[in-house]
Amino acid sequence: EVVMTQSPATLSVSPGERVTLSCRASQSVSNNLAWYQQKPGQAPRLLIYGASTRATGVPARFSGSGSGIEFTLTISSLQSEDFAIYHCQQYNYWYTFGQGTKLEIK
Amino acid sequence: QVQLVESGGGLVKPGGSLRLSCVPSGFTFGDYYMSWIRQAPGKGLEWISYISSNTINTGYADSVRGRFTISRDNARNSLYLQMSSLRAEDTAVYYCARSSRSSCTWFDSWGQGVLVTVSS
Repeated sequence: EVVMTQSPATLSVSPGERVTLSCRASQSVSNNLAWYQQKPGQAPRLLIYGASTRATGVPARFSGSGSGIEFTLTISSLQSEDFAIYHCQQYNYWYTFGQGTKLEIK
Repeated sequence: QVQLVESGGGLVKPGGSLRLSCVPSGFTFGDYYMSWIRQAPGKGLEWISYISSNTINTGYADSVRGRFTISRDNARNSLYLQMSSLRAEDTAVYYCARSSRSSCTWFDSWGQGVLVTVSS
């Protein structure tokens, strides 16, 4: 099983700040990596696939990068609606998710 | 607008069975791979099963293989998850999710989820 590890578990940030979330795979997943946003009581929403391609309707302030085992999701200027949990998911060998990073208001 | 609506959740005793359904709208259901993904209370997401658009190929996570069965009826526009031999650790919100036309990859649309509670 490919284990996905996200860091940090929780990040306290202020609106307007730039933030970078990390996701590491236990083995190479090439660029077969997606990011999701999940708000309380809601289903996840796809943000990024192919490590760096924004899904339809996702604002340009969200960007993804990386390949192999190290990936990042960057939010260039945090908006109030961005405070949520972010999950990474690999689809190179079956399908596994990270444990999530919670973005909370500082 | 793509929409997925799950139903069939509820409280079931350990060892019991339950069948979840997912009804799609807003896209040609028969063209897409579909999956079930679950989230235990306060935990992360766990993919548990996929089915190909033509129903020929299926896949399961080790945690549910042999106990859960995924199926679909493209004519009736429905996705199903038959769950048996349920355990306390199967307690979770279960989501159906759409993947791509050619394979199971990322999940671009999700239902609102349905809660399954396994408890005596």
